[in-house]
Amino acid sequence: AQSVTQPDIHITVSEGASLELRCNYSYGATPYLFWYVQSPGQGLQLLLKYFSGDTLVQGIKGFEAEFKRSQSSFNLRKPSVHWSDAAEYFCAVVPNGGYSTLTFGKGTMLLVSP
Amino acid sequence: GAVVSQHPSRVICKSGTSVKIECRSLDFQATTMFWYRQFPKQSLMLMATSNEGSKATYEQGVEKDKFLINHASLTLSTLTVTSAHPEDSSFYICSASARPGQSNYGYTFGSGTRLTVV
Repeated sequence: AQSVTQPDIHITVSEGASLELRCNYSYGATPYLFWYVQSPGQGLQLLLKYFSGDTLVQGIKGFEAEFKRSQSSFNLRKPSVHWSDAAEYFCAVVPNGGYSTLTFGKGTMLLVSP
Repeated sequence: GAVVSQHPSRVICKSGTSVKIECRSLDFQATTMFWYRQFPKQSLMLMATSNEGSKATYEQGVEKDKFLINHASLTLSTLTVTSAHPEDSSFYICSASARPGQSNYGYTFGSGTRLTVV
């Protein structure tokens, strides 16, 4: 069955430290890949997306993600975390061609310590 | 960039009444719209998918007579919770997508609606 795995439910990072949030997918072919961020009581905001081409994708708010086909991964990174980055992060995929619905991971809650 | 507007952001209603939630794509034509429900500290649960001008496709376990979805135009979809009960209290989020292959293709989310049934 197709699935998206975010292995970390919670991550705590010190402000100014680097961040990496993991995402692995299980699909027959390379899907379209997305990262979203959700603040409490808010909808989801798109950070970045990957369809094809350069495997290192730049997004908003200083985030980037790298697609690694061999590892079926699409990890999200930020070199220096700010307190305002504390939120829930969701990885999502849709089969290549994009006519289907998004499949979400269970999310990773990022906590930022002073 | 693509913007989706969802209203209202919060609504409190009495048990037995109906509530309508609107989802509008402001600067693109949304071929497909999605409605999700989110429980506290959980991921999004897809309720239904709607394509403009056709009936919505509901996920297994979602009552189509309770959660009425209308996608009358390429920029507007509505979710009506009929005869609401306290167990329907939740956070509802819509998402809109342009057609794959278009330059603005992607999944854009509304800001969500917090429904409380008392």
